Amino acid sequence: GQQLNQSPQSMFIQEGEDVSMNCTSSSIFNTWLWYKQDPGEGPVLLIALYKAGELTSNGRLTAQFGITRKDSFLNISASIPSDVGIYFCAGQYFNTGNQFYFGTGTSLTVIP
Amino acid sequence: KAGVTQTPRYLIKTRGQQVTLSCSPISGHRSVSWYQQTPGQGLQFLFEYFSETQRNKGNFPGRFSGRQFSNSRSEMNVSTLELGDSALYLCASSLDRGGNEQFFGPGTRLTVL
Repeated sequence: GQQLNQSPQSMFIQEGEDVSMNCTSSSIFNTWLWYKQDPGEGPVLLIALYKAGELTSNGRLTAQFGITRKDSFLNISASIPSDVGIYFCAGQYFNTGNQFYFGTGTSLTVIP
Repeated sequence: KAGVTQTPRYLIKTRGQQVTLSCSPISGHRSVSWYQQTPGQGLQFLFEYFSETQRNKGNFPGRFSGRQFSNSRSEMNVSTLELGDSALYLCASSLDRGGNEQFFGPGTRLTVL
């Protein structure tokens, strides 16, 4: 199945720094979701995006649905140690129900 | 509201055996999707069930099957297990069909020896 190109693959940052990651697809998506996954657990939904150009925030997290509908971005401001984990984007085509395609993940390490 | 529950959390099987995993979605959610997560392939879509019917299927062999009951609970079955089936199997629950938010359970860690 299709996998989305997610970058960067990993990040090592100092506590308090801002983080940016993105996801690109060769196809147009209808919905973008962003998840965070801790080791041994299921992904936790962070932000859902449904319209091109949409900008949505959830606390220190902000995500955008790209204008071309082929990409999405996630920003984390003022990172803290509990932000550590793997972040995934997921996209869904029009008319494919709840079949989502996932990015390869961005592993975030926050150095106190 | 209780989240998505999956049982069992951990499972060890040997090659050739079969296994059944269970998922209870969030109350009121009618769509259940199953994913396989491995270090090499990432998160791969297996299938989706809505109102007891399989609506979408990923690119997995016929050894992988599932079903959904009238209370929206779902099971997936893997027959004739292979070493490569070792993975974290995740169930995701959605309100209905159509690209809605998906909420994941904690997963079942399957190890095939």
